[in-house]
Amino acid sequence: AQSVSQHNHHVILSEAASLELGCNYSYGGTVNLFWYVQYPGQHLQLLLKYFSGDPLVKGIKGFEAEFIKSKFSFNLRKPSVQWSDTAEYFCAVNAIDSSYKLIFGSGTRLLVRP
Amino acid sequence: DGGITQSPKYLFRKEGQNVTLSCEQNLNHDAMYWYRQDPGQGLRLIYYSQIVNDFQKGDIAEGYSVSREKKESFPLTVTSAQKNPTAFYLCASSMSLAFQDTQYFGPGTRLTVL
Repeated sequence: AQSVSQHNHHVILSEAASLELGCNYSYGGTVNLFWYVQYPGQHLQLLLKYFSGDPLVKGIKGFEAEFIKSKFSFNLRKPSVQWSDTAEYFCAVNAIDSSYKLIFGSGTRLLVRP
Repeated sequence: DGGITQSPKYLFRKEGQNVTLSCEQNLNHDAMYWYRQDPGQGLRLIYYSQIVNDFQKGDIAEGYSVSREKKESFPLTVTSAQKNPTAFYLCASSMSLAFQDTQYFGPGTRLTVL
């Protein structure tokens, strides 16, 4: 069965620190990859997505993610975090043979201290 | 504004009662989904619908029911058969079930069983 692993459940950073959140998935075929963000009290929003092409994807608010097919990874990065980045981040995958189904990781709670 | 609305935001239910959660979208999307979010577990698919008058079970459909009588509406009923209904419920929609279509999420309903 397909699965998504987010290894960091809680991350605490100071403002201006660099961020990297890990995401690995298990599926050998063609996939789409997503990062969603849930700010406190707000709904789940799409941060960025990878469908095909350039494996380095840029999203909103200065976030980017790199798809490394050989490592089955899609890590999220930001060079300098802000207090407003405090949120829960979810990695998600859908596979070409079950296109309706988004498989989510368990999420990473990020706390950015001012 | 185009988007997905869910109501109510908070819902309290006594054990043994059925309760219906509302989801409406004005994005003209054909596909709609219901997910359940529990702390530390990410999102899990309850039901999905490809088109009006058609819906399919997801991974955790037991104790839930849905209907899709209109394109823009996909209500979820949490029945008394659901053993652990306290959770955060998220509705989503996408243009279709096609592999390239992104899912967009509503603000969620937090259900608490007393």
